[in-house]
Amino acid sequence: AQTVTQSQPEMSVQEAETVTLSCTYDTSESNYYLFWYKQPPSRQMILVIRQEAYKQQNATENRFSVNFQKAAKSFSLKISDSQLGDTAMYFCAFETSYDKVIFGPGTSLSVIP
Amino acid sequence: DTGVSQDPRHKITKRGQNVTFRCDPISEHNRLYWYRQTLGQGPEFLTYFQNEAQLEKSRLLSDRFSAERPKGSFSTLEIQRTEQGDSAMYLCASSSHRDRGATEAFFGQGTRLTVV
Repeated sequence: AQTVTQSQPEMSVQEAETVTLSCTYDTSESNYYLFWYKQPPSRQMILVIRQEAYKQQNATENRFSVNFQKAAKSFSLKISDSQLGDTAMYFCAFETSYDKVIFGPGTSLSVIP
Repeated sequence: DTGVSQDPRHKITKRGQNVTFRCDPISEHNRLYWYRQTLGQGPEFLTYFQNEAQLEKSRLLSDRFSAERPKGSFSTLEIQRTEQGDSAMYLCASSSHRDRGATEAFFGQGTRLTVV
């Protein structure tokens, strides 16, 4: 069975600084998809960034980028130039083409002014 | 299309009562998921559908929980004989699943259930 682990329950970062959130996963599959979702306080979950396992290039979306290490089964999220609106729960998620999306336990990120 | 819609947004019920939640996915999406989330935790998988077919139901889910997706459109999640431990946010998500390619799941705002 696939599992997703996020070892940092809480993190904080100063506004304008850079922070990295960790995620590891376990699977025997070779083709799969990885996601980072953001859930602001009392608001709905939205996608931040996605990565397809067969692509070697790390995905980037504006201030958000990932470090995908397939052999190590690691998928970290880097947020550059942190903004107050980045304060949220961040969930790492995993999906194969034939199975459901599963989520990690989340990291609560606080951006400090 | 206004995205994934869930109804009601909040539900307070007495222990032992039955409750039913509805989810309207994005119209062209073939997959629909139900998750349960408690405060500070990640979404816990409950069940999911591809079109009208229920593909999997969590083994952790008791028989008091049932879900349907008639005609592959909206879905309902029913909890019978509710218990205080059922108090949580129930999230619905939908996606346009393909054999290849990353499929983003779009989430609704959730239904918050409180069992008193």
